[in-house]
Amino acid sequence: AQRVTQPEKLLSVFKGAPVELKCNYSYSGSPELFWYVQYSRQRLQLLLRHISRESIKGFTADLNKGETSFHLKKPFAQEEDSAMYYCATSPLSTDKLIFGTGTRLQVFP
Amino acid sequence: DVKVTQSSRYLVKRTGEKVFLECVQDMDHENMFWYRQDPGLGLRLIYFSYDVKMKEKGDIPEGYSVSREKKERFSLILESASTNQTSMYLCASSSTGLGGYTFGSGTRLTVV
Repeated sequence: AQRVTQPEKLLSVFKGAPVELKCNYSYSGSPELFWYVQYSRQRLQLLLRHISRESIKGFTADLNKGETSFHLKKPFAQEEDSAMYYCATSPLSTDKLIFGTGTRLQVFP
Repeated sequence: DVKVTQSSRYLVKRTGEKVFLECVQDMDHENMFWYRQDPGLGLRLIYFSYDVKMKEKGDIPEGYSVSREKKERFSLILESASTNQTSMYLCASSSTGLGGYTFGSGTRLTVV
């Protein structure tokens, strides 16, 4: 079965430091991959998806098929980036999402 | 602003009660989903629906059922609530083939 692994439950950094939130997936084909974010007291929302290859709020994510990874990166973290981040994948020919367990990012001033 | 609306933000129910969680979307989306969100476990898919009157089991359907009588409404039913069903329940919708979900704000259910 398809699976998404986020090895870190909590990642703490200081403002201005680089951030990398790790995500690995198990799938033999070409998956669709997403990052979702949930800020405090807000609903879960789409941050970015790999097929659009765009940068949102300074975050980027590159699909590495060799390492089956889709890590989320930002060169300079901001305090407002503090949130829960979920990596997700969608099996081909379906519209359902399989989520990882999430990583809480804390950015200290 | 497109919306997925969950009828209750907080619910407290007793063990054994039948519980209904309602979700309505105004985006004419074909697909609707119910997840539960638990610390350390992430989001786990309970049930989903690709069309009216259609439903499919997700990864953890036991103890739950769903109803989709209209395109815009997807209800999650706990037939006989138990304490291990205490959780945050998230509803989401999407349009077929476009990817990306729109989530509701969640219903925090406590079963006592």
